[in-house]
Amino acid sequence: GESVGLHLPTLSVQEGDNSIINCAYSNSASDYFIWYKQESGKGPQFIIDIRSNMDKRQGQRVTVLLNKTVKHLSLQIAATQPGDSAVYFCAEIATNQAGTALIFGKGTTLSVSS
Amino acid sequence: KAGVTQTPRYLIKTRGQQVTLSCSPISGHRSVSWYQQTPGQGLQFLFEYFSETQRNKGNFPGRFSGRQFSNSRSEMNVSTLELGDSALYLCASSLAGKGPYNEQFFGPGTRLTVL
Repeated sequence: GESVGLHLPTLSVQEGDNSIINCAYSNSASDYFIWYKQESGKGPQFIIDIRSNMDKRQGQRVTVLLNKTVKHLSLQIAATQPGDSAVYFCAEIATNQAGTALIFGKGTTLSVSS
Repeated sequence: KAGVTQTPRYLIKTRGQQVTLSCSPISGHRSVSWYQQTPGQGLQFLFEYFSETQRNKGNFPGRFSGRQFSNSRSEMNVSTLELGDSALYLCASSLAGKGPYNEQFFGPGTRLTVL
């Protein structure tokens, strides 16, 4: 069967390696997804987003892949640097008549060693 | 442009007390959302305020409340504190214009410890 990609609470990589962080979302009707980075002592910081009509979007050193069939997101970080060490969260937008709210997934702590 | 500011940054209270946290959004942002972050439950949406009105609410008990002022600054209040209320409380602001989503900018959070 197809590999969904396990969510790992922690990921340790060497500087220069590529990192892949996985996330499963819950609502098949969600049409907007975001990856956030949270460094120690700070609030979450926007990294990259993707709409449900796309399956891939690239930014600077980051790529987000969306697989709607299995409700799975991944964040790929190229040439990982020590400054990338942080907790990474995916979030989906939950929209109702009242407004929108971010529904966060479980975070992955990325540790980059030099 | 200054970012989202939250005060105080750290707070220690005892069970049964109440607490008020403050959030000043980015200038020009009219929407303020609040989130609770704990190791066990992760990041959870509390409520959103827009134009001094609560526009959306998460699944939290009535002990959690908030308000927004005419200058878009927001406060959240937790009454009758419980040990489980110990958490990082995050505030996020956005322009809240038209469209399905406006990017939310987070503050550094207020770390609340309930003893």
